[in-house]
Amino acid sequence: EDQVTQSPEALRLQEGESSSLNCSYTVSGLRGLFWYRQDPGKGPEFLFTLYSAGEEKEKERLKATLTKKESFLHITAPKPEDSATYLCAVNTDKLIFGTGTRLQVFP
Amino acid sequence: GAGVSQSPRYKVAKRGQDVALRCDPISGHVSLFWYQQALGQGPEFLTYFQNEAQLDKSGLPSDRFFAERPEGSVSTLKIQRTQQEDSAVYLCASSYRGFEKLLFGSGTQLSVL
Repeated sequence: EDQVTQSPEALRLQEGESSSLNCSYTVSGLRGLFWYRQDPGKGPEFLFTLYSAGEEKEKERLKATLTKKESFLHITAPKPEDSATYLCAVNTDKLIFGTGTRLQVFP
Repeated sequence: GAGVSQSPRYKVAKRGQDVALRCDPISGHVSLFWYQQALGQGPEFLTYFQNEAQLDKSGLPSDRFFAERPEGSVSTLKIQRTQQEDSAVYLCASSYRGFEKLLFGSGTQLSVL
């Protein structure tokens, strides 16, 4: 059965304290891995698509990387406005989401 | 409009009542998706349309759930004889084609009392 697991469930960081979020997956046929950001009361907002091991994408303080079994979302020098839930999803002929990592960044 | 629009934003239903949730996707987007999100969980796939064709409805939890997109644009998710376990946020998303870069609406929060 296709499965996506995200860790940690919750993460509290001081402003400027860099860290990484993990997304591990076991799927029969990966056709892409996606990262989304979700703010309270809103739908998920697309961040990145990764297709093959070794691929990296960057946007502002965020960098996503992909291996054959997992993906990391690296957050460099986070700011309070980066506080949100970060969702990972895999495309296996349907988009399967993980349960997310709730990130809180304190000033 | 600029984004995916869902209505109503909130819906309170009595157990056993039928409800209809509407999604207006971005103009020109071929693919449309419905997801269910319980509190503290990730979105769970319900169904997927390409134009007016429903290509995958494997995520619909029971035959009380029905979705349609008759003209390939607006979609309606209908839930018959609502149960308390149906309480969740129902998210609609659209894309130019397939699973690439889904753009989500803000969802309809359904509470069944």
